[in-house]
Amino acid sequence: GENVEQHPSTLSVQEGDSAVIKCTYSDSASNYFPWYKQELGKRPQLIIDIRSNVGEKKDQRIAVTLNKTAKHFSLHITETQPEDSAVYFCAASIWAAGNKLTFGGGTRVLVKP
Amino acid sequence: EAQVTQNPRYLITVTGKKLTVTCSQNMNHEYMSWYRQDPGLGLRQIYYSMNVEVTDKGDVPEGYKVSRKEKRNFPLILESPSPNQTSLYFCASSRASREQFFGPGTRLTVL
Repeated sequence: GENVEQHPSTLSVQEGDSAVIKCTYSDSASNYFPWYKQELGKRPQLIIDIRSNVGEKKDQRIAVTLNKTAKHFSLHITETQPEDSAVYFCAASIWAAGNKLTFGGGTRVLVKP
Repeated sequence: EAQVTQNPRYLITVTGKKLTVTCSQNMNHEYMSWYRQDPGLGLRQIYYSMNVEVTDKGDVPEGYKVSRKEKRNFPLILESPSPNQTSLYFCASSRASREQFFGPGTRLTVL
């Protein structure tokens, strides 16, 4: 089955700097890659997703890049703010093959003011 | 208000005592899932359902049962809970392979 690895497990950045989280996946059939943000004590929420027919997607200060050949994808957060402090999860699945979703282990991001 | 609800939110029980965690969504979503969240292990899918009476195993199904008799409900059943099932559980619903809407979570402790 699919295996998703996520690095780093913790990331501390200064406010205003950029943060990058990387994920690798094992199943070349995976073609849908969402990112979820979980604030302390709350439920995960989708922040951005990408399908394999797209190499990059951007939404304001966050962007995701995908390298299908290398089977890795990354989340980029620019101009970090204290409210970006949270745990971020990447995930992989096969679009239109049901709801089988495999998550990475998570990255705890701390933005220091 | 569109939402996913779970009950109970907190539960402390003892080994072997059967329990059910309910999950309900009001968004008419076809897909529903159960996840457990443990420190350092992220979210691991237990079971998922693509429609009424259609369920399939996720990555960690051992010790759990589910049923999908109605579109809106997807209960998680622990027939004989054990301490290694102490965890934070999330139910989620979605349209096909799209954004998962998570419930508030159920914190389960098995003594």
